Amino acid sequence: DSGVTQTPKHLITATGQRVTLRCSPRSGDLSVYWYQQSLDQGLQFLIQYYNGEERAKGNILERFSAQQFPDLHSELNLSSLELGDSALYFCASSVGLAGVGNTGELFFGEGSRLTVL
Amino acid sequence: GESVGLHLPTLSVQEGDNSIINCAYSNSASDYFIWYKQESGKGPQFIIDIRSNMDKRQGQRVTVLLNKTVKHLSLQIAATQPGDSAVYFCAENILNAGGTSYGKLTFGQGTILTVHP
Repeated sequence: DSGVTQTPKHLITATGQRVTLRCSPRSGDLSVYWYQQSLDQGLQFLIQYYNGEERAKGNILERFSAQQFPDLHSELNLSSLELGDSALYFCASSVGLAGVGNTGELFFGEGSRLTVL
Repeated sequence: GESVGLHLPTLSVQEGDNSIINCAYSNSASDYFIWYKQESGKGPQFIIDIRSNMDKRQGQRVTVLLNKTVKHLSLQIAATQPGDSAVYFCAENILNAGGTSYGKLTFGQGTILTVHP
């Protein structure tokens, strides 16, 4: 158990809909990261928050948005869903900014599997 | 239409053998590398990391080798066990002047390791 909690574990919805994925980081971790894992693209970085502020952005679509709340939990909002958005969405957390001295260790949750029909 | 998924390299070994998993990374500016293990139904789990000023780092039963000249990273697992069966990902990152990163890891496609008892 990594200590990172993601809900829901599974979600099935229709095209055009909007969903919210939730992540609770490990206790004490200030950084939250969102990754998308799909069959054709592998693991792709979406966005990172550190202590409530957006810190880095990857290939996140404009239809997607995220935020980190004062209690450090984070939500990833996916709107106008398309079939191609079907994927596993992982949240990860780390104490601070991953790097030398902090190690590169991100703690990943078990993911939210989104299926868009 | 036909879906095109990633065709992950596979490695099959017998229990007790040593395993070597290879990774070619893409960005010559990357200076920080990490190996993750992902078991079925779980999120990626940190194994070991290495900075570009090193060419070798050892952990418990694992060794990472880095060859920046050819942009190649390898993970050696000694005395491989059935519990090591998983998908292994290398990831690369760029550290800023302060030695921290923004957590934007770029993951490789992964290698499926199967360990036969």
